[in-house]
Amino acid sequence: GNSVTQMEGPVTLSEEAFLTINCTYTATGYPSLFWYVQYPGEGLQLLLKATKADDKGSNKGFEATYRKETTSFHLEKGSVQVSDSAVYFCALLGSNYKLTFGKGTLLTVNP
Amino acid sequence: GAGVSQSPSNKVTEKGKDVELRCDPISGHTALYWYRQSLGQGLEFLIYFQGNSAPDKSGLPSDRFSAERTGGSVSTLTIQRTQQEDSAVYLCASSPTVKASNAYNEQFFGPGTRLTVL
Repeated sequence: GNSVTQMEGPVTLSEEAFLTINCTYTATGYPSLFWYVQYPGEGLQLLLKATKADDKGSNKGFEATYRKETTSFHLEKGSVQVSDSAVYFCALLGSNYKLTFGKGTLLTVNP
Repeated sequence: GAGVSQSPSNKVTEKGKDVELRCDPISGHTALYWYRQSLGQGLEFLIYFQGNSAPDKSGLPSDRFSAERTGGSVSTLTIQRTQQEDSAVYLCASSPTVKASNAYNEQFFGPGTRLTVL
């Protein structure tokens, strides 16, 4: 079956630091890949997506590239802000229409 | 426009009681999904609806769990004889449709219902 593995948290960074959260997946076929973010006390929000190999999703300074050869979709941001503190989930959408999520990574950014 | 809404936002119940959780999807969205977010298991798929029918119930953890959708809109997730391990945040999502190509099948999530079983 489909599965997503993302780096365990928590991750604590200082403001303006570089962020990488690793995500790898196992899936049959050609899934779409997503990063969702959950801010404290709020629901899940789609951060970015990529629907085919070599696509780069980007939003709010975050980027992730769909790498089929390494089955990865690592999330990066060049300079994090305190407001980026949240839980980040990597997810895939396979042919069975349901999202499969990683376990989430808690990011805390200190001023 | 209005997003996905869920009620109640919090529910505390005693073990053995039945609970009903409600989801109002985005107007016009034909597909609706239920997920569960718990500390031990992360985010798990429970069930999805296309219109009023549920082609995939594979994630329902036991026969104590059931869900229905009426009028192609509101959905109710019912948990009978609740157990402590049912404590979790129950998330609902909707999408415009379920397409053979999943490229744009973006799911929009509600704020969730936090269920605590004492």
